[in-house]
Amino acid sequence: QKEVEQNSGPLSVPEGAIASLNCTYSDRGSQSFFWYRQYSGKSPELIMFIYSNGDKEDGRFTAQLNKASQYVSLLIRDSQPSDSATYLCAVNGWDGNQFYFGTGTSLTVIP
Amino acid sequence: DVKVTQSSRYLVKRTGEKVFLECVQDMDHENMFWYRQDPGLGLRLIYFSYDVKMKEKGDIPEGYSVSREKKERFSLILESASTNQTSMYLCASSDQRGVSEQFFGPGTRLTVL
Repeated sequence: QKEVEQNSGPLSVPEGAIASLNCTYSDRGSQSFFWYRQYSGKSPELIMFIYSNGDKEDGRFTAQLNKASQYVSLLIRDSQPSDSATYLCAVNGWDGNQFYFGTGTSLTVIP
Repeated sequence: DVKVTQSSRYLVKRTGEKVFLECVQDMDHENMFWYRQDPGLGLRLIYFSYDVKMKEKGDIPEGYSVSREKKERFSLILESASTNQTSMYLCASSDQRGVSEQFFGPGTRLTVL
């Protein structure tokens, strides 16, 4: 059973702070790692993906991957109330086609 | 603009009815997926397809079937709807080339009475 684990939260941070979201996965054959944001009542939308160890930055978002520890994280700098949403971690396996999702972390940014 | 569309945003059906959920993508993607999403349970894969006329069971296929007669269209069928199939249903598609994200449709909120 391939598993992707996330803390369900809720995670609350003040506006302007850094939000840190974490995810672990069980399948060492996993190739690529994705972070999706899902607003209440809406479908998931991709924020960013990472497939190499280290950091990848895109605006206020930084994804971090450590394959040895089977750990991927998302940092949101200068958090805004509009960042309040559920964040889903997704991993795709060795064949690159099927995705495995965590249950999501609920983030609230307090103005 | 790439797009995945689903036939209905909201649907109300009665127990025992046959229900069809349609999904269409315009990105020429090989892979298509059906998920259901329930509070606290996350996204659960029902069925997926890597090619036309191909289907594979996901984690929770019981009570569901699928059809993929054309590359762009993937249908989810509830043969005899039950109240425990009340849920948000999400369709997604992805490319088989390179690092490819899954693109999601807007979802169908199905209520079975």
